[in-house]
Formats: sequence, C-alpha cells, structure tokens
Amino acid sequence: GAVVSQHPSWVICKSGTSVKIECRSLDFQATTMFWYRQFPKQSLMLMATSNEGSKATYEQGVEKDKFLINHASLTLSTLTVTSAHPEDSSFYICSASPQNGHYSNQPQHFGDGTRLSIL
Amino acid sequence: AQSVAQPEDQVNVAEGNPLTVKCTYSVSGNPYLFWYVQYPNRGLQFLLKYITGDNLVKGSYGFEAEFNKSQTSFHLKKPSALVSDSALYFCAVRDFGFNKFYFGSGTKLNVKP
Repeated sequence: GAVVSQHPSWVICKSGTSVKIECRSLDFQATTMFWYRQFPKQSLMLMATSNEGSKATYEQGVEKDKFLINHASLTLSTLTVTSAHPEDSSFYICSASPQNGHYSNQPQHFGDGTRLSIL
Repeated sequence: AQSVAQPEDQVNVAEGNPLTVKCTYSVSGNPYLFWYVQYPNRGLQFLLKYITGDNLVKGSYGFEAEFNKSQTSFHLKKPSALVSDSALYFCAVRDFGFNKFYFGSGTKLNVKP
C-alpha cells in the first residue's frame, strides 16, 4: 500500500532554532501533500497544502513566513519551522495520496508525525 | 463548506461487546467519507471509506461503518471490541472543490478487559 515516511519523529531544540521536517511518499508520486498540526487531545488542524513545483497554500491564520514549505519533487515535501519558540511545540503530521485530482476518492496516507518540543 | 461532527469525546466499552463511534456530516453534493485511527504518538491509519454503493462498508481490523443518508451519519462499528482497539478515532470528509480533508474532533475509544 501507499507509504508516507516522516522524519524526524522527535525533535527537542532551543528557542530560536529553525527545524526542518521531511515528508516522503515512498512508493508513489504526490503532486500534493498536506501538513497538519495537532494539539494534545485535539483534532488535526490543516496548516497548508504543499504543491509540487509551486507555492504552498496556507490556511487562514497560519504564518507562511514562520512555517516554510518546500515541495521540490514529487516524493518530498519539507516543513521548516523558523525561529521556533515554545508555543510552536506540537505534533506535526503530513499526508499524501497517490491520486490528487479534485474527484479522487482515495484516502490520505499519513506519516507517523513529528513531536516538536522547543525549550 | 464540508464538515463532520463527532458528538462523543470518549466511548467506553467492555472487551467482547459491540462498539459504535458516531459521526455526522454536512456536505454539499455526494459525500466521500473516511474513518481513521490514531495510536499515541503516531500518524493516522486509514480504516475504511464510503464513496458510493452499499451503505455498509467493511474495513480493516474488523471495523465497518454504516452510511445513512437520511440521518447524514456515518457511524463506525465493530461487533466485538478488543482491548487493542483502544485509540483515537477520526471521521473525515473530502471537499471536492478544494482537494482537502476535514476531520472531526476525534473520539477516544477505551476498551476495558
């Protein structure tokens, strides 16, 4: 089946550091990937839609200069949290689907998430 | 806009008993509905989907879901719960126009031995 790999799984770093998270589709190509943020005991909040070869589409209220997204190839999207602060601590999850047309009925496949802790 | 609601934050059930996790949806047009499960510190795993056809959809790990158009519901069910089913369950709907998924708030399922 479709596999999405996310790395790293856990990051602890000092305030002011920039952190890069990678999301790879291992056995399929994905023109679109999604980045979510999940707070404890809460649902997933869609942060942005990552589009291969073009700019990401950010959801309202998400700072695009804070959360930089790059989707340079059909199998890799990266999320960089720039100048991270304690309030950025969270669980970040990416997802992708082998088929991303508007009428696709395919499910999203998720990475295992990245736990980010900013001290 | 598309949306889903999960009215229960938590569901408790004894092992061996049937379980139901509720989901209602609001969509314009035909719904594409999904169920996912999340274990601690992990991403979401796909369980099943409803696109069209039979109202009873069978999925992974013995789970099934019943689509009810008149009640706009898509409840997740399992005839006999296992302790290992304890996890966080999310219902989701796909928005055609914007190629996005919208997730419910999640329901924590606790299965007691």
